[in-house]
Amino acid sequence: SQQGEEDPQALSIQEGENATMNCSYKTSINNLQWYRQNSGRGLVHLILIRSNEREKHSGRLRVTLDTSKKSSSLLITASRAADTASYFCATDAGGAQKLVFGQGTRLTINP
Amino acid sequence: GAGVSQSPRYKVTKRGQDVALRCDPISGHVSLYWYRQALGQGPEFLTYFNYEAQQDKSGLPNDRFSAERPEGSISTLTIQRTEQRDSAMYRCASSPTRDTQYFGPGTRLTVL
Repeated sequence: SQQGEEDPQALSIQEGENATMNCSYKTSINNLQWYRQNSGRGLVHLILIRSNEREKHSGRLRVTLDTSKKSSSLLITASRAADTASYFCATDAGGAQKLVFGQGTRLTINP
Repeated sequence: GAGVSQSPRYKVTKRGQDVALRCDPISGHVSLYWYRQALGQGPEFLTYFNYEAQQDKSGLPNDRFSAERPEGSISTLTIQRTEQRDSAMYRCASSPTRDTQYFGPGTRLTVL
């Protein structure tokens, strides 16, 4: 079963705009990760945030984590056409070694 | 360096046949994971290994599914007596620690 739920399920914006995706989860976690999947391609790891961290940056990516609300957000600034992909959050669901993924947000960047 | 590789990339089989999917993890990675991903969904956990030991197989759907990693490196996921509902993308990942998992390109399985 899936633990995380991404919101929105689909998002379409203009190139250059910022994109925000949200993820909610159900159980306690040690860390939360975001992955990107381009159409027909593999999953690429973007960023990992630990349960004792509230915010993390990597290039144009900013991730926040609110463990009290069991939620995380991924912000992509100054979007590019190449950012078009599906984005998934994944948690370690109570410290287990396996990852539990959400259903993903399909992001489309329009030129 | 080389990433996780999987073979075959595409597999079409007839219902009732057995299939074996192979995963070559990143060299030196302790942990190896198998996931299954339906179209439009996120990956779902199947099983994982630390070295050659299978630690958790709770995600395997039924006893037609099995996995092994006999020498702690390459792993094989075997599906016996395939059914149409087994059609999906099967993804392998490896990790050096408990955290970041690095995924392979996947094997697209189609059961006719």
